[in-house]
Amino acid sequence: DAMVIQNPRYQVTQFGKPVTLSCSQTLNHNVMYWYQQKSSQAPKLLFHYYDKDFNNEADTPDNFQSRRPNTSFCFLDIRSPGLGDAAMYLCATNTGKSYEQYFGPGTRLTVT
Amino acid sequence: AQSVAQPEDQVNVAEGNPLTVKCTYSVSGNPYLFWYVQYPNRGLQFLLKYITGDNLVKGSYGFEAEFNKSQTSFHLKKPSALVSDSALYFCAVRVPGAAGNKLTFGGGTRVLVKP
Repeated sequence: DAMVIQNPRYQVTQFGKPVTLSCSQTLNHNVMYWYQQKSSQAPKLLFHYYDKDFNNEADTPDNFQSRRPNTSFCFLDIRSPGLGDAAMYLCATNTGKSYEQYFGPGTRLTVT
Repeated sequence: AQSVAQPEDQVNVAEGNPLTVKCTYSVSGNPYLFWYVQYPNRGLQFLLKYITGDNLVKGSYGFEAEFNKSQTSFHLKKPSALVSDSALYFCAVRVPGAAGNKLTFGGGTRVLVKP
């Protein structure tokens, strides 16, 4: 029944070593989002896709990139992780017509 | 610009007592408001939303919220709290006019329900 799936749930990477986080959805939603959440703070939107249209937030560092090869999958690439990038990364989806977002369980990234 | 404020970092309540989590908002135009709950090491779960219509909105797990336009508030309530309601709660408002139904979140309120 899982609708928004994130893999892996826990990821450890080394400082400066590229890492990719994965999100997939079975909802066939048009919109997919990536958020960064630190220490139980509010989620911070990094970017979102509306279908194939990529929308980057103005304050998202260049170190963060995303790919959406098809409707179901979306990837977050961190090119050179720093210690400050350690966080929970949340993927979410939206139909584009209704307003609520549906979140995956998150991937907790540790940078050593 | 839109904003959401959750004035309490933490709310403590005894099991069986009423629970209220406060939220105020600032947005141009009609607000679309949401509540989400987050359990430890999990993603956010949608509880309820206000788009239009009745000011009292009922949602999942016995939660409800009251939209008050004059006070620009959207407080979350539950008549009788359970220990399992202990979690982090986020209020959010849709960003007006933004493509993709983007949300602005409040800072979160931690709820601790004691047996």
